[in-house]
Amino acid sequence: AQKITQTQPGMFVQEKEAVTLDCTYDTSDQSYGLFWYKQPSSGEMIFLIYQGSYDEQNATEGRYSLNFQKARKSANLVISASQLGDSAMYFCAMREGQRNNNDMRFGAGTRLTVKP
Amino acid sequence: DVKVTQSSRYLVKRTGEKVFLECVQDMDHENMFWYRQDPGLGLRLIYFSYDVKMKEKGDIPEGYSVSREKKERFSLILESASTNQTSMYLCASSLIGTGPSYEQYFGPGTRLTVT
Repeated sequence: AQKITQTQPGMFVQEKEAVTLDCTYDTSDQSYGLFWYKQPSSGEMIFLIYQGSYDEQNATEGRYSLNFQKARKSANLVISASQLGDSAMYFCAMREGQRNNNDMRFGAGTRLTVKP
Repeated sequence: DVKVTQSSRYLVKRTGEKVFLECVQDMDHENMFWYRQDPGLGLRLIYFSYDVKMKEKGDIPEGYSVSREKKERFSLILESASTNQTSMYLCASSLIGTGPSYEQYFGPGTRLTVT
């Protein structure tokens, strides 16, 4: 079964505007972590932000924030004040439970294009 | 800075060839991973290793094997390359430990084309 769902294959945003990239997940574990990665055209995956299932506040890292709605099992990434350099693929990922961290599952990704 | 390097950015091989993809990390991480990335499918785990000479299968191990003789190096082997193994291959590493918060650090990827 798909553990991570990203329903937006592609998104467009005007420079300087905010954009939300959707991510829903499926788990029965109480302890899990949610990650967002950015993949520019160069190919390297860049870690952006992390949210733990027990964290009460939404994670923020600079212009990135994670809108965590636990009951809805969603972990949307919000990018404020978009820049041309934000154009990239964005992947949501989840790691479950307390075992060694091999069980990281990735969504299919969303390609974000920032228009000047 | 964590550095994960992969031996090639682009590789073209013929069907039936044996292919080696090398990955090296310099942060003394215990865990190392191999993923393949295909459009619309995201990243899928092929194999991972949590220690030297230790390996575990991921979601799509068929047609692949791995080798980890030294802590910093993790190799992915395609014993007999096939066209359906044309893909982007990403290596990653992370610290070992329980708990969900350990992020993975990725290499730049190898785009493999099998003709």
